[in-house]
Amino acid sequence: EAQVTQNPRYLITVTGKKLTVTCSQNMNHEYMSWYRQDPGLGLRQIYYSMNVEVTDKGDVPEGYKVSRKEKRNFPLILESPSPNQTSLYFCASSPESGNYGYTFGSGTRLTVV
Amino acid sequence: QKEVEQNSGPLSVPEGAIASLNCTYSDRGSQSFFWYRQYSGKSPELIMSIYSNGDKEDGRFTAQLNKASQYVSLLIRDSQPSDSATYLCAVNIYDMRFGAGTRLTVKP
Repeated sequence: EAQVTQNPRYLITVTGKKLTVTCSQNMNHEYMSWYRQDPGLGLRQIYYSMNVEVTDKGDVPEGYKVSRKEKRNFPLILESPSPNQTSLYFCASSPESGNYGYTFGSGTRLTVV
Repeated sequence: QKEVEQNSGPLSVPEGAIASLNCTYSDRGSQSFFWYRQYSGKSPELIMSIYSNGDKEDGRFTAQLNKASQYVSLLIRDSQPSDSATYLCAVNIYDMRFGAGTRLTVKP
């Protein structure tokens, strides 16, 4: 089944404790992206990757890191999480940026206390 | 002006009616337009894409695009309670830009 797999689905952590949210797609997509979704603010892009080894900042990159060493994987790293990073996170992929819609992962609900 | 604007709703329609969801965008150079459906607590799911002016139909869904007016709409015919969700409009400008979504409730 073609899909984007995110883990974990739910995570509660404490301020300052480094964490990684994994994202993997099995569709051989070039483009991958991370979003956070907050009530009233909609989906905001954190980082995106046009292809392997090429990543760039989205609208809200502060406090996040990413890497794209393989085409299928695009992990999101929070080096020192803070409570304002409590949110619902989605990974998405697409054959390429532009003319195709996205396939989203099932989401990660992160709470930082 | 926001890049992609939607009426946040909520929009409530009776079962069997036509639900009309609207979206405007700011960049005249936009080429690709999408509608996603998001159930509460779930991830967005792509339901329609449209690239040229006019209508595109898929089952009970019709997407309409008017580039001159910078306007995209989604019509849902014979609305069902299972259509109750938030509908996100997305426009590919230099990257995919999402509206904040319109919450639709279909009442039995």
